[in-house]
Amino acid sequence: EPEVTQTPSHQVTQMGQEVILRCVPISNHLYFYWYRQILGQKVEFLVSFYNNEISEKSEIFDDQFSVERPDGSNFTLKIRSTKLEDSAMYFCASSERQKSGGYTFGSGTRLTVV
Amino acid sequence: ELKVEQNPLFLSMQEGKNYTIYCNYSTTSDRLYWYRQDPGKSLESLFVLLSNGAVKQEGRLMASLDTKARLSTLHITAAVHDLSATYFCAVDRAGSSGTYKYIFGTGTRLKVLA
Repeated sequence: EPEVTQTPSHQVTQMGQEVILRCVPISNHLYFYWYRQILGQKVEFLVSFYNNEISEKSEIFDDQFSVERPDGSNFTLKIRSTKLEDSAMYFCASSERQKSGGYTFGSGTRLTVV
Repeated sequence: ELKVEQNPLFLSMQEGKNYTIYCNYSTTSDRLYWYRQDPGKSLESLFVLLSNGAVKQEGRLMASLDTKARLSTLHITAAVHDLSATYFCAVDRAGSSGTYKYIFGTGTRLKVLA
């Protein structure tokens, strides 16, 4: 069964450093998403991406965040200057079409900012 | 703003017992999703409910959707320890650009005691 692949699985970074979280969505999917989950809390929408541009972003997705699809296969989330409160599990997801019956989520990247 | 609430937040139950988790949402949606999450893991799709009155069953779990009441239920029959996990419902919502995003519920942490 096709999978959404995320790397790394765990990243520890110092406050103020830049991090890039990587995702390889399912190849025929057109819609891409990032969500995050602070430990023990619910899953929150960050950003959606379609047709090589951001479709929607949440209030969490401020100027410190950016997304890219640099080469047609990878989908990245960059945090320019990490803060302690960015520590969370970040999930990438993709879907073939909207109202399609659901996303496929990746296995997640646990980001720890120290 | 769409709000999705689950009840209960925590559930401890004996093996062999039945129980229901409730998911209420505040504005109209025809589609609702249930996910399972094991500690530190990703989100595993359980059910996709795409219309009013939809009912789906997989093993000891059965999910239903009442769009008029804005309510979905996840019923557990004869619980076993392997069902211990956190269960999330999610409702999708059109954003300003027309693309959809999930709004997740608060999650129900289920612990099945032997």
